[in-house]
Amino acid sequence: AQSVTQPDIHITVSEGASLELRCNYSYGATPYLFWYVQSPGQGLQLLLKYFSGDTLVQGIKGFEAEFKRSQSSFNLRKPSVHWSDAAEYFCAVGANDYKLSFGAGTTVTVRA
Amino acid sequence: DVKVTQSSRYLVKRTGEKVFLECVQDMDHENMFWYRQDPGLGLRLIYFSYDVKMKEKGDIPEGYSVSREKKERFSLILESASTNQTSMYLCASSHGTVYEQYFGPGTRLTVT
Repeated sequence: AQSVTQPDIHITVSEGASLELRCNYSYGATPYLFWYVQSPGQGLQLLLKYFSGDTLVQGIKGFEAEFKRSQSSFNLRKPSVHWSDAAEYFCAVGANDYKLSFGAGTTVTVRA
Repeated sequence: DVKVTQSSRYLVKRTGEKVFLECVQDMDHENMFWYRQDPGLGLRLIYFSYDVKMKEKGDIPEGYSVSREKKERFSLILESASTNQTSMYLCASSHGTVYEQYFGPGTRLTVT
């Protein structure tokens, strides 16, 4: 069965600094991978997705993620964090029957 | 833009009450999903539906049921609410053969 691990429960980063969130997946076939963001009190918004092709994918709000098959990873990055990036971030892998399996999430705090 | 709406943002119910959570999407999506979100556990799938009047159990269906009488509407029912069902409930929808899901804003349910 597929699964997703987000090793970092909470990350604190200074405004303007770079951010990297880790995601490792377990899935037998070529995965469909997603990153979602959830601002406080809101639903989830899709940041970016990987289906195939170029392993570096660009998303909204200046985020990018890199798929590394050899490491079973799909890490999310942003070069310069803004205060509005404070949120919870979820990595997800597409499972059978068009379902998604989510990681436990990483909470990002941005300090001034 | 896809819009997924949920009937209530906050709900307080008493133990033993029957609770209905409603979800409506406006993009003619075939697939609809109900998740519950708890700190440290990420999103867990309760039930999903691929078509009107069809439903499938997710990972944690115990204590819940669903109804889908119309394509745009997917209801989650707690037959007899219990305190351990206090949680954030998220509804999502997707097109038939696509993994990408669109989420509603969530309903924070408190059972006292």
